[in-house]
Amino acid sequence: DQQVKQNSPSLSVQEGRISILNCDYTNSMFDYFLWYKKYPAEGPTFLISISSIKDKNEDGRFTVFLNKSAKHLSLHIVPSQPGDSAVYFCAASSGGSNYKLTFGKGTLLTVNP
Amino acid sequence: GAGVSQTPSNKVTEKGKYVELRCDPISGHTALYWYRQSLGQGPEFLIYFQGTGAADDSGLPNDRFFAVRPEGSVSTLKIQRTERGDSAVYLCASSLTGSGGDTQYFGPGTRLTVL
Repeated sequence: DQQVKQNSPSLSVQEGRISILNCDYTNSMFDYFLWYKKYPAEGPTFLISISSIKDKNEDGRFTVFLNKSAKHLSLHIVPSQPGDSAVYFCAASSGGSNYKLTFGKGTLLTVNP
Repeated sequence: GAGVSQTPSNKVTEKGKYVELRCDPISGHTALYWYRQSLGQGPEFLIYFQGTGAADDSGLPNDRFFAVRPEGSVSTLKIQRTERGDSAVYLCASSLTGSGGDTQYFGPGTRLTVL
C-alpha cells in the first residue's frame, strides 16, 4: 500500500519554464514533507521541506505547496535549468517516528535546453 | 567536509551467501539510517540507530537482515543466506540528532546483486 504517491513517472519541460512535480499521500498522520533530488549513481540530496502547519515554503527557485485537505503537495521549480534534470522523490514522516521517511516512487524530470 | 560514504559501491554475490555492507556517516552525526531501494521504487526504511543502539528496526524484512553500530559511528548491514529478491541499492543516511526536521544526508549506496 503506497502511502506516498507520485503518479507521474516522468516530466519534460523547456529550460526557463516552470516545472511542477506532484505528490499525494494517504496517511493523515504525516506532518512533515520533504523533496529529495537524485542524480544517477548518487544518493538522494535534500532539497526543501514543509511542516504541516504551513501551506507554502520557498527557497530560491524552489517552492513547495501543501494542501492538507486534499492530501497533496507540489514542488515548483522556476525557472527550470538543465542541471535540474534528475529524479525527484517526495517523502513524508509523522510525529513520534519523524526519523522514518516514507518515499514515493519518484518522478524523472528532464529539462531541455 | 566529507559526506556519507558506503562500501563497496557494488557487490555481486550468489544466492545463499552472506554479505556485509558498510556505512561511514558524517562525523558527529548521532543518527544513522539504512534504506533499501528496489528497481522502480523509492527508498524504503529499514532501521534507525541513535548512537550505538537500534532505536527502530521495524523495516528489516526478516531475521536474515541485521545491522550493528558498535561504536556509534560506522555501521554494518549484514544479510545472511541472500536471496535474489534482496537485490537492490542499499542506502545509508545520517543526521545530526535524529529529531524532527533533522535533515538526512544520504550516501551513494551499495548496489547488491544476488545471482
